[in-house]
Amino acid sequence: EVQLVESGGGLVQPGRSLRLSCTTSGFTFGDYAMSWVRQAPGKGLEWVGFIRSKDYGGTTEYAASVKGRFTISRDDSKSIAYLQMNSLKTEDTAVYYCSRGFSGYEDYWGQGTLVTVSS
Amino acid sequence: QLVLTQSPSASASLGASVKLTCTLSSGHSSYAIAWHQQQPEKGPRYLMNLSSDGSHSKGDGIPDRFSGSSSGAERYLTISSLQSEDEADYYCQTWDTDIRVFGGGTKLTVL
Repeated sequence: EVQLVESGGGLVQPGRSLRLSCTTSGFTFGDYAMSWVRQAPGKGLEWVGFIRSKDYGGTTEYAASVKGRFTISRDDSKSIAYLQMNSLKTEDTAVYYCSRGFSGYEDYWGQGTLVTVSS
Repeated sequence: QLVLTQSPSASASLGASVKLTCTLSSGHSSYAIAWHQQQPEKGPRYLMNLSSDGSHSKGDGIPDRFSGSSSGAERYLTISSLQSEDEADYYCQTWDTDIRVFGGGTKLTVL
């Protein structure tokens, strides 16, 4: 059974940093791209970014709203994807979901972790 | 610019059918999409991917009541024999080489 579990969310002050983890099981992690998607309170889904599998260079892409502040990485030996968030803003407050990427779309999702940016 | 447009809300009666629409932006009518369901207070769930020719492949455990179709730049999700648990937000998603895009979502109310 494919499982994705996010962790690391919480309350953080504006300008500070936070790292989220996405721990996975049930599939060969290294074969897949991994994405992060967020959802602000009462709003829709917003793509944050993704990291390709090593077979496709392990490179990353980001939404304009987070480029230069957020970094996605992966540890294939541990089957974990990370989202490093720096210079956090109040508008980054959201539930953050990780998802497995398959041919461009997300085919499995985690349950999400809440990040609240507030002073 | 790659954009997906969805109606904010839809409603249908228990046991009836409903067809939700997702419209691709101009110049992108050949793009495939994916549909996702998000029940209240839950994470999203992948329903299916849907090509421009209407062929689709559903995710694990998705009931036969869910189907997809396409016409031009429009992509449809049809839910038949509506059940109370189908009341949810439905999002379409598309992609290009370096980007993923979500529609604004449709909130489906089952009457």
